[in-house]
Amino acid sequence: AQKVTQAQTEISVVEKEDVTLDCVYETRDTTYYLFWYKQPPSGELVFLIRRNSFDEQNEISGRYSWNFQKSTSSFNFTITASQVVDSAVYFCALSGDVWSNFGNEKLTFGTGTRLTIIP
Amino acid sequence: DSGVTQTPKHLITATGQRVTLRCSPRSGDLSVYWYQQSLDQGLQFLIHYYNGEERAKGNILERFSAQQFPDLHSELNLSSLELGDSALYFCASSVVSGTGEKLFFGSGTQLSVL
Repeated sequence: AQKVTQAQTEISVVEKEDVTLDCVYETRDTTYYLFWYKQPPSGELVFLIRRNSFDEQNEISGRYSWNFQKSTSSFNFTITASQVVDSAVYFCALSGDVWSNFGNEKLTFGTGTRLTIIP
Repeated sequence: DSGVTQTPKHLITATGQRVTLRCSPRSGDLSVYWYQQSLDQGLQFLIHYYNGEERAKGNILERFSAQQFPDLHSELNLSSLELGDSALYFCASSVVSGTGEKLFFGSGTQLSVL
């Protein structure tokens, strides 16, 4: 069975500080995708990134960066120079086997980390 | 704006009632997914449809059913509602049906069962 653990329930940092959100996953699949989604106070879920298990190269997008380490089954998310608009709940998610037949497209989500940026 | 439209945004009803949640996917998307977000269960996959056909079922109760119509919009029907069914129900769509597809989520329907 798949499992995603986001041990940090809530984090508060002062604006402009860097913050890292942790994500640890469990899967028996040898190939899979990992995701981060953002849920702002308005409630919708916003896609941030998708990373497949073949590629352990870290990724940077503006103030956002992601550190994927297969050896520790972690996919951590760092926000640099945080801003008030970054306040949201962030979800890490895991997909099924990349090469599976149809029917395995569901995402397994972690419980989310509520990030509050203090002005 | 993700392009996925869910109606209604809020729904208040009583136990034992039946409700229908509607989802219009992004233009061109053939896949529709339903997820339930509750305080105790978090975000749970319910069901997936692709071009009108059911593709996968998750933790969906027998009291719940869904369908995808020829115009690709989808409806989630919840019957014999219980207090525990109160949750935010999300619809998501994607172009194809494949593991790892990027999902575009709607704003959700907040269901309150009193």
